[in-house]
Amino acid sequence: LAKTTQPISMDSYEGQEVNITCSHNNIATNDYITWYQQFPSQGPRFIIQGYKTKVTNEVASLFIPADRKSSTLSLPRVSLSDTAVYYCLVGDGPGGFSGGYNKLIFGAGTRLAVHP
Amino acid sequence: NAGVTQTPKFRVLKTGQSMTLLCAQDMNHEYMYWYRQDPGMGLRLIHYSVGEGTTAKGEVPDGYNVSRLKKQNFLLGLESAAPSQTSVYFCASNRRTGRENYGYTFGSGTRLTVV
Repeated sequence: LAKTTQPISMDSYEGQEVNITCSHNNIATNDYITWYQQFPSQGPRFIIQGYKTKVTNEVASLFIPADRKSSTLSLPRVSLSDTAVYYCLVGDGPGGFSGGYNKLIFGAGTRLAVHP
Repeated sequence: NAGVTQTPKFRVLKTGQSMTLLCAQDMNHEYMYWYRQDPGMGLRLIHYSVGEGTTAKGEVPDGYNVSRLKKQNFLLGLESAAPSQTSVYFCASNRRTGRENYGYTFGSGTRLTVV
C-alpha cells in the first residue's frame, strides 16, 4: 500500500483558501486518492476522492497532477468550523483491478487550525 | 438512517477483563473495519471483514478477535484487556463497488480505558 506524506500542521484565517498537499510517490495504478476530515471526538468523515486531474464537490476540490505522485486538497474560504485533522489516503477500491479489499491506511494527518 | 452505530460509547475495564464492542450498520455495506486511534496519531487498522462470515487481520490485530456472523454487525472482542489497549475504537463500513471507493462511513467511536 502506498505511503503518504503530508504536513503535520497548518494555520489559516477565516475566509482564506487552504491548500493541503499530500505526497504519495509509490502510488499504484489502481489506487484512488481519498481525503477524510476528523473533528475531535468524532470518526473521520469522507470529503472527496479522485483518480486523476481535478475533482470538485460542494466541500472541496482535489487536484491531481498527471504523474499522480502528489495531490492537493483545496478548501475554499475556510471558516472556524473547518478546524480539524485532514487525512490523505491512497488505496485500491473494493473489488478493484487487483481484487484489493481497500485496507486504507491512515497516517497522522494534517492538523488545520483556522483562526478568526 | 442511522449509518454506523457503535456501542458502548465509553467503557472502563480492569486489566484482564474481557469485553465486546459492537458495530452495527444499516446501509447494507459489504465491508466493515475496526480501527483504533491513540492520542495525536492516525487510525490503525485492527481487523476487517469483506463479507458475512469472513474476517482478516489488519495492522495491529494482536490481543483482539472479531466476528461477522451477520452482514450488518461486526464485533470486536478483547479477551484479556491490557493498559496498552486504552484507545478510541472506530468502526467503519463501505459498500462494494467497481473501481471506486465511495468512502468509509465511520461510527462515532468507543472510548476504552483499561486500568
